[in-house]
Amino acid sequence: DVKVTQSSRYLVKRTGEKVFLECVQDMDHENMFWYRQDPGLGLRLIYFSYDVKMKEKGDIPEGYSVSREKKERFSLILESASTNQTSMYLCASSLWSTEGGKNIQYFGAGTRLSVL
Amino acid sequence: RKEVEQDPGPFNVPEGATVAFNCTYSNSASQSFFWYRQDCRKEPKLLMSVYSSGNEDGRFTAQLNRASQYISLLIRDSKLSDSATYLCVVNPVYNFNKFYFGSGTKLNVKP
Repeated sequence: DVKVTQSSRYLVKRTGEKVFLECVQDMDHENMFWYRQDPGLGLRLIYFSYDVKMKEKGDIPEGYSVSREKKERFSLILESASTNQTSMYLCASSLWSTEGGKNIQYFGAGTRLSVL
Repeated sequence: RKEVEQDPGPFNVPEGATVAFNCTYSNSASQSFFWYRQDCRKEPKLLMSVYSSGNEDGRFTAQLNRASQYISLLIRDSKLSDSATYLCVVNPVYNFNKFYFGSGTKLNVKP
């Protein structure tokens, strides 16, 4: 079974703090993703990485950065946390593919972040 | 216009009922389609991929209508445990490594 592990289930931080969210996958997947999920807005892509040290901005990258130094690990960084970054953060991984249907995304359990 | 749109529901149905959800997508060149299930405060999990010819997995049937650009999910003989939010996911043809998610349709199955 694919396993995607997020380091924390719940996190409470103060405004202005630097926050690190860690994600590790054990299936040698090339692609890794960070999403945030808010009521009524669905999943929104923050950043995406298709290889070590490679990253692409998603739909809402402002206020976030990422790091992928090893294939299995993808970190999301909030440089200076703000209250509007209170959300559920979901990490996912998938195989790189040029064929449809081969690229199923697997999600971690999520990190519920509260910024006070 | 959103890439993927779903009726948020909730759909409230009795146990044993048949219920169907649709999901529309805007990019006619989209190639891969999936239904995910998400329980309250949990992560999304793959329910089934959607193939051009339609596919069935037990009580669940997924269909694709390319002409009208929608996919559907049919659940027969609903169980209490089917209560969840169902997310529609689409890949564009130009990039199988990019995913567009619908906001989800909430299903409540009542005893």
